[in-house]
Amino acid sequence: NAGVTQTPKFRILKIGQSMTLQCTQDMNHNYMYWYRQDPGMGLKLIYYSVGAGITDKGEVPNGYNVSRSTTEDFPLRLELAAPSQTSVYFCASRVVGELFFGEGSRLTVL
Amino acid sequence: RKEVEQDPGPFNVPEGATVAFNCTYSNSASQSFFWYRQDCRKEPKLLMSVYSSGNEDGRFTAQLNRASQYISLLIRDSKLSDSATYLCVVSDYKLSFGAGTTVTVRA
Repeated sequence: NAGVTQTPKFRILKIGQSMTLQCTQDMNHNYMYWYRQDPGMGLKLIYYSVGAGITDKGEVPNGYNVSRSTTEDFPLRLELAAPSQTSVYFCASRVVGELFFGEGSRLTVL
Repeated sequence: RKEVEQDPGPFNVPEGATVAFNCTYSNSASQSFFWYRQDCRKEPKLLMSVYSSGNEDGRFTAQLNRASQYISLLIRDSKLSDSATYLCVVSDYKLSFGAGTTVTVRA
């Protein structure tokens, strides 16, 4: 049972480059989330989705975009990468209650 | 004011000790409460849900005080393997995380 799968696990970007972090879940969960976690800090919500075709901003959406064309997939797009976006990114999904997390994507912007 | 606030610690305790810490939340309409555990550089994993009447799971006890808007976690008979960061999570339709409380259990 795969659960929540994130790719890539590691990536180094140059300032101004763009990339997409992929997230897919096989549990048929309606709710999906993207969080970022800076070193020594808690998780901050970037975007979330309550179902296919519906997305909304979290606490820190600037510099990111998302889409939710299917229940399974919730990609996070970084446009014009900046050093402030260096972080660990976690995708998560749930129905009610427990959040299931992917293993994280460690992004460095130089 | 942050939605969820935790004492960051660190709590440095010997094996076998009891350690307890709290988390406060600002949204009185919050419906669900959880404690997650996060090991260094890993994804958070659910430790336990927190129910209004309080609940135990082995050596872990969680309490919820809606009137004062806080939840607590108590760890009895600490083990080395309990060393981790404990995240308080408060939920309505989205989940808000505290910054975490770091616990280190020493031999």
